[in-house]
Amino acid sequence: NSKVIQTPRYLVKGQGQKAKMRCIPEKGHPVVFWYQQNKNNEFKFLINFQNQEVLQQIDMTEKRFSAECPSNSPCSLEIQSSEAGDSALYLCASSLDRGGAETLYFGSGTRLTVL
Amino acid sequence: SQWGEENLQALSIQEGEDVTMNCSYKTYTTVVHWYRQDSGRGPALIILIRSNEREKRSGRLRATLDTSSQSSSLSITAAQCEDTAVYFCATRDMGYKLTFGTGTSLLVDP
Repeated sequence: NSKVIQTPRYLVKGQGQKAKMRCIPEKGHPVVFWYQQNKNNEFKFLINFQNQEVLQQIDMTEKRFSAECPSNSPCSLEIQSSEAGDSALYLCASSLDRGGAETLYFGSGTRLTVL
Repeated sequence: SQWGEENLQALSIQEGEDVTMNCSYKTYTTVVHWYRQDSGRGPALIILIRSNEREKRSGRLRATLDTSSQSSSLSITAAQCEDTAVYFCATRDMGYKLTFGTGTSLLVDP
């Protein structure tokens, strides 16, 4: 069973508001992934980290998304100015391997609703 | 089948039946993950099959991998109500991430 902890479980924001969610990866897992899952169950990779270093991220040209995984603190994903299209389930996963060769352990997600 | 721009596939079967879900992928991968996602929860790995394996079994689950046709399948034998979930395949691309298929929603009726 996954021990990845995501908070909050639900998040409701108005358009233009900041939305921040957190993730505590499984102990000993150096790699953290963030995915966005829309209402059609489609996954969109956002970013991943190995320890505190960004490995890969999508072209966040809108610069509304930011993420970090500081040492000895939960990882976080923040949307600076929420839009209706950001409404989705945000999934955090951790793994022993940075390349996807090993299991990803997912949290239960943060469901963001932007009104 | 899953992948690309296909919509989520939905399957409905009776308890005790066998079912197979297919997955095609576009880029070379060394591993195919199969996850199930229950309502309100994150995905959980059920089988991971590597490129040097043609078949892998875990209880009532059987996964196959054909690297020449870039396809994988997941079969469930004698499905039970608790197998009701959405099933996803995922492949490792050339970067540092997994790319997920579009998913198959399986409903097992008693």
